Amino acid sequence: EAAVTQSPRSKVAVTGGKVTLSCHQTNNHDYMYWYRQDTGHGLRLIHYSYVADSTEKGDIPDGYKASRPSQENFSLILELASLSQTAVYFCASSDVDSGNTLYFGEGSRLIVV
Amino acid sequence: GQQVQQSPASLVLQEGENAELQCNFSSTATQLQWFYQSPGGSLVSLLSNPSGTKHTGRLTSTTVTKERRSSLHISSSQTTDSGTYLCAIERRTNAYKVIFGKGTHLHVLP
Repeated sequence: EAAVTQSPRSKVAVTGGKVTLSCHQTNNHDYMYWYRQDTGHGLRLIHYSYVADSTEKGDIPDGYKASRPSQENFSLILELASLSQTAVYFCASSDVDSGNTLYFGEGSRLIVV
Repeated sequence: GQQVQQSPASLVLQEGENAELQCNFSSTATQLQWFYQSPGGSLVSLLSNPSGTKHTGRLTSTTVTKERRSSLHISSSQTTDSGTYLCAIERRTNAYKVIFGKGTHLHVLP
């Protein structure tokens, strides 16, 4: 069974602080994605990666960095968290061999105060 | 503009009724997927259907690639079908990029 795990599952951060959201997959998938979900906007792509040590900008990358140190791990970094970054963040993985079906983690709820 | 548009935004049904959800996309898609998001927030893939008609259980998806549209038909709806249905397209540039619509919120009444 495909498995994507995210941590932390929930976090309260202070404005201006640094936040790191971590994602680990055991699917042996090449592709990993970070999305954020807000009411009224649906899921929006922040960053993605198709190989270790390389990341690509999605549709809303401003204010976020990403890191893919290995095939299994993909982190999303908020260097200076802002109120507007309060959202639920989802990590996903996929692979061409599995038809590019996305497998999602359970989500990380971030509240910036 | 929005690359993936879904309609209706919300839908209320009586248990046993059928549902028809629509997805229109504005750019060429190499893949199209339908997802279900539970009221608790978890996301699961329902089916992938880049073209033609595909069935799984009570779900039928029909995608007409040339017309850039896809539909998801849910037959004999159940209260457990309540949640949000998301359509997503995959675009290939230098890598596979998956873009989502805003979803259709389905509420099935007992």
